Amino acid sequence: EPEVTQTPSHQVTQMGQEVILRCVPISNHLYFYWYRQILGQKVEFLVSFYNNEISEKSEIFDDQFSVERPDGSNFTLKIRSTKLEDSAMYFCASGAGSSYNEQFFGPGTRLTVL
Amino acid sequence: GQNIDQPTEMTATEGAIVQINCTYQTSGFNGLFWYQQHAGEAPTFLSYNVLDGLEEKGRFSSFLSRSKGYSYLLLKELQMKDSASYLCAVRDDSNYQLIWGAGTKLIIKP
Repeated sequence: EPEVTQTPSHQVTQMGQEVILRCVPISNHLYFYWYRQILGQKVEFLVSFYNNEISEKSEIFDDQFSVERPDGSNFTLKIRSTKLEDSAMYFCASGAGSSYNEQFFGPGTRLTVL
Repeated sequence: GQNIDQPTEMTATEGAIVQINCTYQTSGFNGLFWYQQHAGEAPTFLSYNVLDGLEEKGRFSSFLSRSKGYSYLLLKELQMKDSASYLCAVRDDSNYQLIWGAGTKLIIKP
């Protein structure tokens, strides 16, 4: 069964450093998403991406964040200068359609900023 | 503002039935989702409701009343593996953004 994959599973970085989180969505999906979940808190939407551009973003997704689909398979989230409060689990998700009911989540990348 | 409320924690017995409620106040409505999340893992899709009524899928059913801003997830014949957090999420007027509740931690006892 096709699945969303994410690498790395755990990333530790120093405050102020740049990180890139990688995702490989399900191959025939067209809609891609990033969410984050701070430990013990609710899932929060960051950004959605379709047709090689951002379709929606939340207030959390400020200028420190960017997304890219560098090739036909990868979908990346870059945080330019990490802050302590960026420590969270970051989930990538993909879906076949914008109104289609299901978004498939990857296993997540745990980001720890020291 | 956007708000989704669910109970923080519930306890139920193996083999029993449990109902997890969710109420929402959002600027618009374009579907309600239930996801299951085991500790340390990603959310997995359980159900989707966009019209009023009950959607049944095996041991799990989900109900929606749009006029009341209310949904519930019904789990029957509970198994120990059902111990997890259950997340209610609403898509508002947009096609993309999901607004998430804090989740209900369900504890199943033998």
